Amino acid sequence: GQQLNQSPQSMFIQEGEDVSMNCTSSSIFNTWLWYKQDPGEGPVLLIALYKAGELTSNGRLTAQFGITRKDSFLNISASIPSDVGIYFCAGPKYNFNKFYFGSGTKLNVKP
Amino acid sequence: GAVVSQHPSRVICKSGTSVKIECRSLDFQATTMFWYRQFPKQSLMLMATSNEGSKATYEQGVEKDKFLINHASLTLSTLTVTSAHPEDSSFYICSATGSEAGNTEAFFGQGTRLTVV
Repeated sequence: GQQLNQSPQSMFIQEGEDVSMNCTSSSIFNTWLWYKQDPGEGPVLLIALYKAGELTSNGRLTAQFGITRKDSFLNISASIPSDVGIYFCAGPKYNFNKFYFGSGTKLNVKP
Repeated sequence: GAVVSQHPSRVICKSGTSVKIECRSLDFQATTMFWYRQFPKQSLMLMATSNEGSKATYEQGVEKDKFLINHASLTLSTLTVTSAHPEDSSFYICSATGSEAGNTEAFFGQGTRLTVV
């Protein structure tokens, strides 16, 4: 079953606002992944984090790998309508034969 | 990132028939492929994990005789929903990892919307 707790479940924001979502776990992960899923599509990998404390950016997206290796956050700055979708955090099991997913954060952006 | 192609994107079938969904890794060798099912407004539910050349490992509660998985090559895995019923209607998604992807990232197909009527 899933071991990742993701929050918030959903967000309604105005275009231009910054967004933050996070993921926590009771277990240590050595890799954190953030995905975005558009309606009717498969998830697309946004950012991959490999090292505790690592802060990585991809355009307006920034994600950090928590120092305890039990949490991660994703920030989106200056949101735009195309940011709408569901964002998932994920982490692989230690031998990479399974990936655990958070429950997702549904982002709605008002133009 | 690596590309995973899933086909078909949508399929409608009659109750009692079988449907095959293909998942291909286009630019890397997928040593491990995962099949998920996703219900509306919910997260991904792992159904099974398959490694090339070996039998798939099914999650608890997933019927292996109903959801047949074949991973015969390093670039292709198939999921066959046998004797489909309306309750099997769902969004099915595959993902794959491979050594070229460092085995640390999973890349997803586009998903298949199955409707059983």
